[in-house]
Amino acid sequence: QVQLQESGPGLVKPSGTLSLTCAVSGGSIISSTSWSWVRQPPGKGLEWIGEIYHGGSPTYNPSLKSRVTISVDTFKNQLSLRVTSVTAADTAMYYCASGGLYWGRGTLVTVSS
Amino acid sequence: QSALTQPRSVSGSPGQSVTISCTGTSSDVGGYNYVSWYQKHPGKAPKLMIYDVTKWPSGVPDRFSGSKSGNTASLTISGLQAEDEADYYCCSYAGSFWVFGGGTKLTVL
Repeated sequence: QVQLQESGPGLVKPSGTLSLTCAVSGGSIISSTSWSWVRQPPGKGLEWIGEIYHGGSPTYNPSLKSRVTISVDTFKNQLSLRVTSVTAADTAMYYCASGGLYWGRGTLVTVSS
Repeated sequence: QSALTQPRSVSGSPGQSVTISCTGTSSDVGGYNYVSWYQKHPGKAPKLMIYDVTKWPSGVPDRFSGSKSGNTASLTISGLQAEDEADYYCCSYAGSFWVFGGGTKLTVL
């Protein structure tokens, strides 16, 4: 059974960069499934951020595309997310997921000075 | 890209059936047979309930079923149980990305 664990700073300053990693266990990041990031701002709905397949180019939510980078590290077997120029609107619970079936427990990121 | 349209809330009594709709456009829901449904309890990660419009992941009871007509997908939950009370989100492929619905709160009366 694939297990995912998100990690990263819980607090990021406005205009800064949000960086998260998702450690994958029980499976390989080079498998044929998709690896994605989804977020949920407090009190709001889910928002798809983007996804990547090993060996392929990432695809992103058009509304976030200019600020988001998703990548995989095959050596560390982990997925990464980077969001630049963050504002309070980026405050959310961030989840990584594999094929939509396996999900991490999420990590809360707050953007505040 | 606008979120797919879902009713904000639905409710039903134990044992009854409820249907949650998810309306998009021909560029997403209507254009592909790639609609998923997620159940989300507060403080928990989303759980995949239906994928590819009608398919069940292993372990999901067949009380949950999905369908699609035109630009609208639907999730039907039959034999409502107390533990079904949660938020439900649809998600559709939209050509080069995915888009979620705004979410529907299901209350089991």
